[in-house]
Amino acid sequence: EAGVAQSPRYKIIEKRQSVAFWCNPISGHATLYWYQQILGQGPKLLIQFQNNGVVDDSQLPKDRFSAERLKGVDSTLKIQPAKLEDSAVYLCASTFGQPLAAEQYFGPGTRLTVT
Amino acid sequence: GENVEQHPSTLSVQEGDSAVIKCTYSDSASNYFPWYKQELGKGPQLIIDIRSNVGEKKDQRIAVTLNKTAKHFSLHITETQPEDSAVYFCAAMRGSGGYQKVTFGTGTKLQVIP
Repeated sequence: EAGVAQSPRYKIIEKRQSVAFWCNPISGHATLYWYQQILGQGPKLLIQFQNNGVVDDSQLPKDRFSAERLKGVDSTLKIQPAKLEDSAVYLCASTFGQPLAAEQYFGPGTRLTVT
Repeated sequence: GENVEQHPSTLSVQEGDSAVIKCTYSDSASNYFPWYKQELGKGPQLIIDIRSNVGEKKDQRIAVTLNKTAKHFSLHITETQPEDSAVYFCAAMRGSGGYQKVTFGTGTKLQVIP
């Protein structure tokens, strides 16, 4: 079974520039998560999709972050404009779905450095 | 919302000794408690999990215990090996209202000294 794919693996940008991350979840997984993991901290949920609908984006800084999941499969997370404090690893995870809470499968992450 | 506290933040043990990491949660509706291991440059990987209807679960050298009354759960690693060195995260999750809410702990960096 193929795992969660993410690209790019690394990205360096200057502040005020824009950046986009891509995630392809495990086939058949209805739920997709984007996390921000700052160095030395646990993953912080940014947004959660159930199929192609958003079910939780309460911690997403909507003035600069946006995400979409077209056709309920792949997803992109965008930051525009980036700030220094956005430097982090952005993790994508997927899970089969309802009704029971279930194991999340994580991708390798994208390490973003904002200079 | 849910709050998950994890202790200790760092842990050093001699190879062959046991390691214990503890987490507490606040939301009594949480019913699934996974533990993840994250190695450098990789995403977290599930190592063991427990549901709220079970008090203990074991998988070879790894075990997890859950005390619902006290709202805490622990990871136990016995006979530690150098390859156990990594960052470990606990999480609390509940499925409700058509989606799953998950909160991670702050992580424990485990170092196993050969």
